[in-house]
Amino acid sequence: DAKTTQPPSMDCAEGRAANLPCNHSTISGNEYVYWYRQIHSQGPQYIIHGLKNNETNEMASLIITEDRKSSTLILPHATLRDTAVYYCIVRAVISSGSARQLTFGSGTQLTVLP
Amino acid sequence: GAVVSQHPSWVICKSGTSVKIECRSLDFQATTMFWYRQFPKQSLMLMATSNEGSKATYEQGVEKDKFLINHASLTLSTLTVTSAHPEDSSFYICSEGRGVGYTFGSGTRLTVV
Repeated sequence: DAKTTQPPSMDCAEGRAANLPCNHSTISGNEYVYWYRQIHSQGPQYIIHGLKNNETNEMASLIITEDRKSSTLILPHATLRDTAVYYCIVRAVISSGSARQLTFGSGTQLTVLP
Repeated sequence: GAVVSQHPSWVICKSGTSVKIECRSLDFQATTMFWYRQFPKQSLMLMATSNEGSKATYEQGVEKDKFLINHASLTLSTLTVTSAHPEDSSFYICSEGRGVGYTFGSGTRLTVV
């Protein structure tokens, strides 16, 4: 799986958009970009994933650059409860019936300020 | 979505004793479960992969005789920390391994005194 690079920490004002960057310059054509977050003392939570198109769900939007070497997770209206460590993970597509572990980097500590 | 129930959420045990952590899949059959460990201010590190009905696969450096994993049914995987020592104090987290976005348990905080 390709290596990812994220800033160690970011602050965001409550109600504003939080934009979390991730570099994955060695990503391969069959590798997806996944985002998870971990609120303090809880298990990680899946947020969103994408291959090359931008994706949006009820939690966030994922913007992937055209060359796929970087991506940005956007929380449109951050709340205090969004304070967490956000992990960007790149992983190859898995075949049906098989499972592969997620490899976590150090992530970005997002602190939403009141 | 999938629900993974992990118990206990926290446990304190004496050095030398064993502790069992359970991870249950409540609404699906989990063929594969992953077990992670997280030390303070560090990221999650995979310890082992458990597959229902077969022996677990351990990551390099993880003692299989110390961290016993049992995955005898499709809804339950257990991790037993045997002869626990203070250095085993950590946050242990399980994860199911199917679909796209894996679901994690809520984690178990183990403190060995």
